[in-house]
Amino acid sequence: DIQMTQSPSSLSTSVGDRVTITCRASQTINRYLNWYQHKPGRAPRLLIYKTSNLQYGVPSRFSGSGSGAEFTLTISSLQPEDFATYYCQQSISLPITFGPGTRLEIK
Amino acid sequence: QITLKESGPTLVTPSQTLTLTCTFSGFSLTTGAVGVGWIRQPPGKALEWLSLIYWDEDKRYRPSLQSRLTITKDTSKNQVVLTMTNMDPVDTATYYCARFIGLAGTIDYFDFWGQGTPVTVSS
Repeated sequence: DIQMTQSPSSLSTSVGDRVTITCRASQTINRYLNWYQHKPGRAPRLLIYKTSNLQYGVPSRFSGSGSGAEFTLTISSLQPEDFATYYCQQSISLPITFGPGTRLEIK
Repeated sequence: QITLKESGPTLVTPSQTLTLTCTFSGFSLTTGAVGVGWIRQPPGKALEWLSLIYWDEDKRYRPSLQSRLTITKDTSKNQVVLTMTNMDPVDTATYYCARFIGLAGTIDYFDFWGQGTPVTVSS
């Protein structure tokens, strides 16, 4: 199985901050990396697919980059609705695996 | 508008079989490169993929749970059903279904998710 790690595990941030979350895979996954946002009691939301493609309806302050085994999700200017947990997920091979999550908290 | 909704029991006793239903709208499971998957999240833990069913009836399972899982689809009802046998307290989790885009053997991404249904395994 491909293991996914994320850093940081949590981040205390403020509205307007620029935030970068890193995701690492245990092996090369090319660009088969997706990012999801999850709020308690809500359906997870696809933000970015295949490393850098913004899902329809997702604000442009979200962006993704990376290649090989290291990827980043960047939120250029944090908004109040962005406080949530973010997960990366590899889709190059089964079993599908997710990262442990990065929780953004209000400072 | 694409929606998915999970339904099933909230409480299951150990050794019982869990049956979860995903009822969806806004797409068809007869469309190529589309499917539905199940993912769960134990309390305080990360998301864990369980199973996929593709538009062409191809099915995939998490290897460590394969002997306990069965996924089926009813295209006339727009439903996907997941059964998990021999439930244990460690299976306590919120269970999600999600639509995916992808070809046989893998997926590209899960683009629409249900809100999840909580399942507790306890005697």
